[in-house]
Amino acid sequence: DTAVSQTPKYLVTQMGNDKSIKCEQNLGHDTMYWYKQDSKKFLKIMFSYNNKELIINETVPNRFSPKSPDKAHLNLHINSLELGDSAVYFCASSQPLARHNEQFFGPGTRLTVL
Amino acid sequence: SQKIEQNSEALNIQEGKTATLTCNYTNYSPAYLQWYRQDPGRGPVFLLLIRENEKEKRKERLKVTFDTTLKQSLFHITASQPADSATYLCALASGGYQKVTFGIGTKLQVIP
Repeated sequence: DTAVSQTPKYLVTQMGNDKSIKCEQNLGHDTMYWYKQDSKKFLKIMFSYNNKELIINETVPNRFSPKSPDKAHLNLHINSLELGDSAVYFCASSQPLARHNEQFFGPGTRLTVL
Repeated sequence: SQKIEQNSEALNIQEGKTATLTCNYTNYSPAYLQWYRQDPGRGPVFLLLIRENEKEKRKERLKVTFDTTLKQSLFHITASQPADSATYLCALASGGYQKVTFGIGTKLQVIP
């Protein structure tokens, strides 16, 4: 049973295209996140949603739009893709008020923009 | 601005030895610090958490220390094994719904 799942695992696309990445968690957590890990392996938070409400929005271009239809799902839509968007995108979930607030990460989506 | 520093160069040690990884931070007063393990092509996996009022935590062969005066955490793996080879990330948070900020990670290679 996969705790946090993402689709697709790989995404190769041309500059200027629009693409979406989907994420689902079956852990019953209230909070979900999108992280970007660049080529230098630096893992940086982009967005956080708690119970479908946006609570963290780091300095991310408007071309990135998260959507949370319910607390188990957090999707990421990217418009007008640029070369610099190439990275691995991780979805995660957690229960922030729990003892450890450990982040449970999905397997990642490797996005390559050509 | 907040900064988390980990030795981004790889750490190579002999099997059976103790590996020690360092995490330093500045301009931050974290409520707790976490350590994660990341294998190639996979998402990070939580290992341990230590709170600001705790000096040391242990879990099996893992030990974490937290010195809020030095603004430093040390992560130890005793009796290291080749299966411990991975990248280890430290992460800090202020608690509640505040974001968790990750360091760049240190790649550990345990040589048989």
